[in-house]
Amino acid sequence: QVQLLQSGAEVKKPGASVMVSCKPSGYNFIDYFILWVRQAPGQGLEWMGWINPKSGVTKYAQKFKARVTMTRDTSISTAYMALSRLTSDDSAVYYCARGPPAGPTADYFDASGSFWEHWGQGTLVTVSS
Amino acid sequence: QTVVTQEPSLTVSPGGTVTLTCASSTGAVSTGYFANWFQQKPGQAPKALIYTTTLRHSSTPARFSGSLLGGRAALTLSDVQSEDEADYYCLLYFGETYVFGSGTRLTVL
Repeated sequence: QVQLLQSGAEVKKPGASVMVSCKPSGYNFIDYFILWVRQAPGQGLEWMGWINPKSGVTKYAQKFKARVTMTRDTSISTAYMALSRLTSDDSAVYYCARGPPAGPTADYFDASGSFWEHWGQGTLVTVSS
Repeated sequence: QTVVTQEPSLTVSPGGTVTLTCASSTGAVSTGYFANWFQQKPGQAPKALIYTTTLRHSSTPARFSGSLLGGRAALTLSDVQSEDEADYYCLLYFGETYVFGSGTRLTVL
């Protein structure tokens, strides 16, 4: 069965960076996009971006463009989300989720399909001095 | 900046029917926004219910249905059960990026 295993909780100081990993199993890693979403305590969900593990092409939400980097290591079937210049507003649970199948071109993203069904367990990032 | 708005809270009686809506600050929501709906309970990851506006995921009970209603995406819950008490989020696609709705807290009382 499809599972996404995320790295453990992190505590960071303001101004630091954090990297969260996401290791899927139960399917071929490079065949599906990885999506990243976060949720601050008591707040709603916030889409951060996606990465095509096959090509490495990424798309970020405008809000995070200057601070987020999504990468992958295909040799160990793992996706990463790094966020820099952390503030207390970045304290949140960060989730990865499986996206649509990687399409015919490196940046082709088919939003019409049945995905968003498989999520990681979430990684709590706390930013505190 | 695009804002997607949902009712902050709704209350429904067990066995009743309730409709949650999802509006975009850019105008009427159409099928081209590929609306998704999620249910989230405390301490859990979101659970996908509806994709592409009207389609249920394989695990979604038939009492959940998606539609377009008056220029908004809508999620209707029929024969509401106590276990449907949760937060519900819509998600709209804007060509290359997504925006989540503000969320609706559904109380079954």
